[in-house]
Amino acid sequence: EDQVTQSPEALRLQEGESSSLNCSYTVSGLRGLFWYRQDPGKGPEFLFTLYSAGEEKEKERLKATLTKKESFLHITAPKPEDSATYLCAVQVGDYKLSFGAGTTVTVRA
Amino acid sequence: GAGVSQSPSNKVTEKGKDVELRCDPISGHTALYWYRQRLGQGLEFLIYFQGNSAPDKSGLPSDRFSAERTGESVSTLTIQRTQQEDSAVYLCASSLAQGATQYFGPGTRLTVL
Repeated sequence: EDQVTQSPEALRLQEGESSSLNCSYTVSGLRGLFWYRQDPGKGPEFLFTLYSAGEEKEKERLKATLTKKESFLHITAPKPEDSATYLCAVQVGDYKLSFGAGTTVTVRA
Repeated sequence: GAGVSQSPSNKVTEKGKDVELRCDPISGHTALYWYRQRLGQGLEFLIYFQGNSAPDKSGLPSDRFSAERTGESVSTLTIQRTQQEDSAVYLCASSLAQGATQYFGPGTRLTVL
């Protein structure tokens, strides 16, 4: 059975305190791993797609990496505006996304 | 350009009533998806439309749920005889083609009293 597990469930950071979020997955035939950001009351906003182990993508203070069993989202020197829920999803088959429950990040000034 | 739009943004209904949720995808996107997001849980796939092909309805939780899409435009998700466990945020997404990046709308928050 395909599974996506995100940890921790919640993360409280001080502004400037770097950290990492984990997404572990067990799927047969990974087609792609996606990271989204979701603000309260809004839909998920696309961040990155990773396709193969060893791949890395960066955007501002965020960097996503992928291994054969997990992905990490590194937040470097976070700011309060980075506070959000970060969702990880794996593509199962040609189009279905299987999502983790998310990690809620709170960055205090 | 305009993103995915959904309406209404909030819907409160009584148990047993029918509700209809609407999604307008990004213009030119052939693929459209519906997901359900319950509090504290990951998004659950409900249904997928691709052009004029038969939809993938494998994620619909019961026969009270149905969805339609006219060509490559608007889609409606209908829930008949709503139950309290249907309370959730219903999210619509569209993508340029099958397997391409999915872009989400703001969702419809459904509350069944």
